[in-house]
Amino acid sequence: DSGVTQTPKHLITATGQRVTLRCSPRSGDLSVYWYQQSLDQGLQFLIQYYNGEERAKGNILERFSAQQFPDLHSELNLSSLELGDSALYFCASTPWDGSNEQFFGPGTRLTVL
Amino acid sequence: TQLLEQSPQFLSIQEGENLTVYCNSSSVFSSLQWYRQEPGEGPVLLVTVVTGGEVKKLKRLTFQFGDARKDSSLHITAAQPGDTGLYLCAGAKSGGSNYKLTFGKGTLLTVNP
Repeated sequence: DSGVTQTPKHLITATGQRVTLRCSPRSGDLSVYWYQQSLDQGLQFLIQYYNGEERAKGNILERFSAQQFPDLHSELNLSSLELGDSALYFCASTPWDGSNEQFFGPGTRLTVL
Repeated sequence: TQLLEQSPQFLSIQEGENLTVYCNSSSVFSSLQWYRQEPGEGPVLLVTVVTGGEVKKLKRLTFQFGDARKDSSLHITAAQPGDTGLYLCAGAKSGGSNYKLTFGKGTLLTVNP
């Protein structure tokens, strides 16, 4: 158990819908990273937040957005869902900005039908 | 463009055999990490290598970082069924206060009893 929690574990929805994935970092960790994992693309970095502020962006679509709240939990919002958005979504946390050890949550499996 | 190429993509061996998996790139990384991911879980960090030519051992696992810091290998001696999983390498580039990782697609290892 990494100490990072993600909910829900599984999510099944339809094309065009909007969903919100939630992540709670390890106690005391200030930085949260979001990743998307699919069979063809592997694990892709989406976005990073540090202490409530966006710090880095990766391959995140405009239909996707995220935020980190004062209690440090983070949410990833996915809208206008397409079949190709079906994937595993992971968050990871680190204690500070430049820490090189990321602790991953168990992931949310999103299926878009 | 996949910056990190891992090979082989799939590997199925018998318990007790040795194996080596590779992680190659045309880019230079400030450090490289190896993770293992089991079904239904997030990746778990195994090791971080920083110096070109560095070799690190973790029980039956030996990790090597190439002299030019562009490639790495993971050697497992006397593999056991518990070693089964997806092995991911991830490279980090220096600069800035964040620590953005670029992941390979992984090697899926199956060790049969």
